[in-house]
Amino acid sequence: DIQMTQSPSSLSASVGDRVTITCQASQDIYNYLNWYQQGPGKAPKLLIYDATKLETRVPSRFSGSRSETNFTLTISGLQSEDTGTYYCQQYDHLPSFTFGPGTKVVIK
Amino acid sequence: QVTLRESGPALVKPTQTLTLTCTFSEFSLSTTGLSMNWIRQTPGKALEWLALIDWGDVKYYNTSLKARLTISRDTSKNQVVLTMTNMDPVDTGTYYCARSRLSGSYYGPFDYWGQGTLVTVSS
Repeated sequence: DIQMTQSPSSLSASVGDRVTITCQASQDIYNYLNWYQQGPGKAPKLLIYDATKLETRVPSRFSGSRSETNFTLTISGLQSEDTGTYYCQQYDHLPSFTFGPGTKVVIK
Repeated sequence: QVTLRESGPALVKPTQTLTLTCTFSEFSLSTTGLSMNWIRQTPGKALEWLALIDWGDVKYYNTSLKARLTISRDTSKNQVVLTMTNMDPVDTGTYYCARSRLSGSYYGPFDYWGQGTLVTVSS
């Protein structure tokens, strides 16, 4: 099975900061990687799909990138409403879907 | 707008069977490229995908839980049902239904989620 790791497990940042979260896959998953945001007490929300594509109606301050098995979610200009936990998720052809352990983002 | 809503018991006893229903609106599961999934969130394993049923009634299961899971659909009612047998306290958590769409030829991102239903397994 493909394993996903995320770093950091948590971070604290100020409004306006640039925040970077990384996710690593245990093997090549090409661009089959999505990012979700889960606000407190809410269901996850899709932000980025296929590693770099911004989901409809998601603010453009969110972006995704890929370098081989390493993936990055960047928030350019953190807002107070961005507090929550962020998860990466891979999918392949089996199908098999695996989530990362999550990164908790706290606003200072 | 697309909505999904989970329903089912909040409390089940160990060894019992859990049955959850997801009722959705503003799309049809007969539409090519759309699938419905069950995903759970437990303290021990964070987010864990459980099962998928697609527009052609093809079904897939998490390999580690496959023996305990059954997913089915009622297209006329816009509902998807998950049963999980032999419930254990470690199965306590929030259960979500989520829609997914194709990405190329692969089952892709979970683009709409229900609000989740909390299931506690306790005697």
